[in-house]
Amino acid sequence: ETGVTQTPRHLVMGMTNKKSLKCEQHLGHNAMYWYKQSAKKPLELMFVYSLEERVENNSVPSRFSPECPNSSHLFLHLHTLQPEDSALYLCASSQGRTGRTEAFFGQGTRLTVV
Amino acid sequence: AQSVAQPEDQVNVAEGNPLTVKCTYSVSGNPYLFWYVQYPNRGLQFLLKYITGDNLVKGSYGFEAEFNKSQTSFHLKKPSALVSDSALYFCAVRDIGYGQNFVFGPGTRLSVLP
Repeated sequence: ETGVTQTPRHLVMGMTNKKSLKCEQHLGHNAMYWYKQSAKKPLELMFVYSLEERVENNSVPSRFSPECPNSSHLFLHLHTLQPEDSALYLCASSQGRTGRTEAFFGQGTRLTVV
Repeated sequence: AQSVAQPEDQVNVAEGNPLTVKCTYSVSGNPYLFWYVQYPNRGLQFLLKYITGDNLVKGSYGFEAEFNKSQTSFHLKKPSALVSDSALYFCAVRDIGYGQNFVFGPGTRLSVLP
């Protein structure tokens, strides 16, 4: 248990569905991240929130929409996804702006788009 | 831009033998370097980090890493491998610019054979 909780752990959705992934951290961190991990590909950064403000959007399609209502919660809203969006979605959090602290990851949500 | 390379996709080692997983990096300033491990369908677990100070860093589960500034390397090592060490290992560097992003290498799959 790392202190970062993601729900659901598994999600199957059709291409016309709308769903949301949830991430919660109880570590008092001030930065939160969404990463995408596909088979045979490196970890891809999607979004970064620092102090609840989105500070990076790494050229992610608009069918992915993040939301950070407070420093403990992060959502990823999904709509009209494509089969190639099937992947493990990882949330992480970290503390500080000096670069010295590590990130803590959740267990991930395994998303399958059918 | 900061980047991380892991030159080996796969490392095989016999149980009880020493293991090394290689990592090289490219940064413009001071490198903040991290190692993570990932077991199947799980998130990333933090192993150790180099921020400053001694070049040999000790971490969790008997792992250590050696920082070499002249070779821009940060290789992960363990004196005696266990079958349970079999997993995917990621090296990362922290971008201390705007966004506080972690840049990950492509990962190295370690197989420890009994």
